Amino acid sequence: AQSVTQLGSHVSVSEGALVLLRCNYSSSVPPYLFWYVQYPNQGLQLLLKYTSAATLVKGINGFEAEFKKSETSFHLTKPSAHMSDAAEYFCTVSGPGTYKYIFGTGTRLKVLA
Amino acid sequence: GAVVSQHPSWVICKSGTSVKIECRSLDFQATTMFWYRQFPKQSLMLMATSNEGSKATYEQGVEKDKFLINHASLTLSTLTVTSAHPEDSSFYICSASLAENTEAFFGQGTRLTVV
Repeated sequence: AQSVTQLGSHVSVSEGALVLLRCNYSSSVPPYLFWYVQYPNQGLQLLLKYTSAATLVKGINGFEAEFKKSETSFHLTKPSAHMSDAAEYFCTVSGPGTYKYIFGTGTRLKVLA
Repeated sequence: GAVVSQHPSWVICKSGTSVKIECRSLDFQATTMFWYRQFPKQSLMLMATSNEGSKATYEQGVEKDKFLINHASLTLSTLTVTSAHPEDSSFYICSASLAENTEAFFGQGTRLTVV
C-alpha cells in the first residue's frame, strides 16, 4: 500500500527566506510523486512531478524537489519565498499502472512580510 | 497542459433536494475521472473513481446511493448529491489524467452549501 506523510501542517517563513516543505512516502513499487498547490476555493495546480527520470525535479514558480530513495523523501524547496507563495501544498503519490493518487494531509505555507 | 472544467463553482441548495456537479475534460478524452471531497483545512478524500461506460468504483464508507456518479461520455462525468443534507456541505473536486502515472488535472472545485 502507498502512503504519504507531510511533516508540519503549518509552516511560516519570512519573505525572501528558504521554503522547505517535507514529504515522506511509502511505496512497495517505484513511486510517481507530485507536488500540488491549492489557493483558497480553487482546484489544485501541479508544481512538479517525479516519474523516475532525474532525481532533482524543477517545477514552476521557482520550486524544486529532490527524490531520495534512501530516505523515502520528496521534499519541496524554494530558495526565496514570495508573498504569492502563501497557499496549501499537497504531496501526492501514485503507483505504476494506476490513475489513483494518494494525497498527503497538506501543509499550509504562510509568508511573513 | 490539459484542462478540466468543473461546474458550478458554487451552489446553495435546500435540504432534501439534489444537486448535480459536472466535470468536463475540455481538450482530451478521459476514460477515468476521480471525485474528491475536501473538508475545511483538510486534505482531499477520494470518494470514487468514475469509469466511462461502466459503474463507478466507490471508496469505502462513501454511500453510492447518496453520491451518484455518471460517466456517460469520454469528456463528461457528473456527481449528483441526492437528498442533500447540511452535512453534505463541502468542497468537491474532480480530476482526470491523460494516462496512467501522469499528473492529474483538477477542476476548479465546487463549493456546496446545503441549508
